[in-house]
Formats: sequence, structure tokens, C-alpha cells
Amino acid sequence: DQQVKQNSPSLSVQEGRISILNCDYTNSMFDYFLWYKKYPAEGPTFLISISSIKDKNEDGRFTVFLNKSAKHLSLHIVPSQPGDSAVYFCAASHSSNTGKLIFGQGTTLQVKP
Amino acid sequence: GAGVSQSPRYKVTKRGQDVALRCDPISGHVSLYWYRQALGQGPEFLTYFNYEAQQDKSGLPNDRFSAERPEGSISTLTIQRTEQRDSAMYRCASSLKGQDVAEAFFGQGTRLTVV
Repeated sequence: DQQVKQNSPSLSVQEGRISILNCDYTNSMFDYFLWYKKYPAEGPTFLISISSIKDKNEDGRFTVFLNKSAKHLSLHIVPSQPGDSAVYFCAASHSSNTGKLIFGQGTTLQVKP
Repeated sequence: GAGVSQSPRYKVTKRGQDVALRCDPISGHVSLYWYRQALGQGPEFLTYFNYEAQQDKSGLPNDRFSAERPEGSISTLTIQRTEQRDSAMYRCASSLKGQDVAEAFFGQGTRLTVV
């Protein structure tokens, strides 16, 4: 049972435009959500997070939106840059066990110059 | 070292053999996490430690898998009687604060292939 789903395996965007990566979850107990970025031959690196008490968190070009009623979150990258090309994973956890993350399958983002 | 170090980077083993995967976390990091990642999938939680104490091992698939961190630093993930379905990238991560997985640094992983 996939509790965290990223239904788009890949996304291609022109440099300077907005990239929107989506993630859905099924477990209503999740209250903390994260996005990770992964380059080839490297481990995932933390990008941005949001707790369920918020519906938006912004960090520079990256903004994460959370819609609890729809059990949906999204990552917006504006403006997109070629260096943003990577695999993006969303992940979720519950505050009672923050050491355990449930990851989605990942979305490969390609930003074209 | 500067980051999380995993060894070996690549391991090919015959079905039925035991393997031990090593993780050397960033010095002083409290929590250590093990994940595995199949091709085209996201990381799948296996287990994690705070210092030497194993906090959650609910992700270990079966009793062939075990992990230890006896001195609260280096950790070993052991897979006994390996099967082809065990083939995956095994990733270790560590974080300075307890269970602060958002601040965790991942290693490059060990690619295990069971033939």
C-alpha cells in the first residue's frame, strides 16, 4: 500500500518558468512533510518541509503548499533553473515517530535551457 | 570524514550468502537511519537508532535483516541468506539531533546485487 504517491514520474519545464511537483498521501495521521532532491550518484538532500499546522512554507525559489483536506502537497520552483534538474521525492512522517519517513516514488524534473 | 560514508559502494553476492553493510555517520550525530531504494522507487524505511538504541525496526522486511550500532557510532546492516529480491541500493543517513530526519545527511549508498 503506497501511502505517499507521486503520480508523475517525470516533468519537463523551460528555464525561467514555474515547476510544480505534486504529491498525494493517504494516511491522515501524517503531520510533517518534506521534499528531498537527488542528483545522480548522490544521496537525497533535504530541500524544504512543512508541518500540518501550516498550509504554505517558502524558502527562496521553493514553496511547498499543503492541502490537508485533499491530502495533497505540491512543490513550486520559481523561476526554474537548469541546476534544478534532479529527482524530487516527497516524504511524510508522524510527530510520534519523526525518525520514520515514508517516501513517494519520485519525480524526475528536467529544466531545459 | 566530511559526510556519511558507506562501504562497500558495490557488493555482488551469491544467493544464500550473508552480507554486512557498513555505515560510518558524521561524527557526533545522534541518529542513524537505514533505508533501501529499489530502482525507480523512493527510499523505503528500514530502521533507525538514537545513539546505540534501536528506536524503530518496523521496516525490516523479515528476520533475515538485522542492524546494530553497538557504540552509538558505526552501524552495520546484516542480511542473512540473501535472496535476489534483496537487490537494491541501501542508504544510510545520520542527523545531529535525535530523530531530526529533516536535517539528516544521506550517504552515497551501497548497491547490493544478489545473483
